Amino acid sequence: EAGVAQSPRYKIIEKRQSVAFWCNPISGHATLYWYQQILGQGPKLLIQFQNNGVVDDSQLPKDRFSAERLKGVDSTLKIQPAKLEDSAVYLCASSLAGTGGAYTQYFGPGTRLTVL
Amino acid sequence: QKEVEQNSGPLSVPEGAIASLNCTYSDRVSQSFFWYRQYSGKSPELIMSIYSNGDKEDGRFTAQLNKASQYVSLLIRDSQPSDSATYLCAVMGGNNRLAFGKGNQVVVIP
Repeated sequence: EAGVAQSPRYKIIEKRQSVAFWCNPISGHATLYWYQQILGQGPKLLIQFQNNGVVDDSQLPKDRFSAERLKGVDSTLKIQPAKLEDSAVYLCASSLAGTGGAYTQYFGPGTRLTVL
Repeated sequence: QKEVEQNSGPLSVPEGAIASLNCTYSDRVSQSFFWYRQYSGKSPELIMSIYSNGDKEDGRFTAQLNKASQYVSLLIRDSQPSDSATYLCAVMGGNNRLAFGKGNQVVVIP
């Protein structure tokens, strides 16, 4: 079974530029998550989709971050404009189940973003 | 108060010894608890999940949960150099969001 795919793996941009990340979840997984992991910290949830609807975006900095999951499969996360503090690894994860209950989140390899 | 706290610094253990990791959480209604392993430069990988008070064993790993004390732990028996990684405690709170601790680095010394 193919895992969660993400691209690009690495990205270096200057502050105030824009960047977009792509994620393809495991086939059949209804729920998709974007996390931000800053060096030395645990992942922090940015946004959670159930199919193509947003379940939780309470921790997404909406003035600069946006995400979409058209057709309930692939997803993109965009940052516009980027700030130095956005330097982090952006992890995409997916799971079979929706909210509540016991489920397992499977993580993709991540995109390491460096903002100069 | 942080949602999930892992306060211990890097843990060095000799090969073959037991590594013990601890985690506390703040949301009393939390029902699902997980331990993830993350190798340097890699993404988190689930190694244990636990939902009921008590112990759960899987191979060399044992997770322990005490909901009254809001405490979760992970024991790694017969530690191997391949166990050297950062271990992340994650808790599913009442808001249905998975909250992670900052992780504990484990170094197994051959």
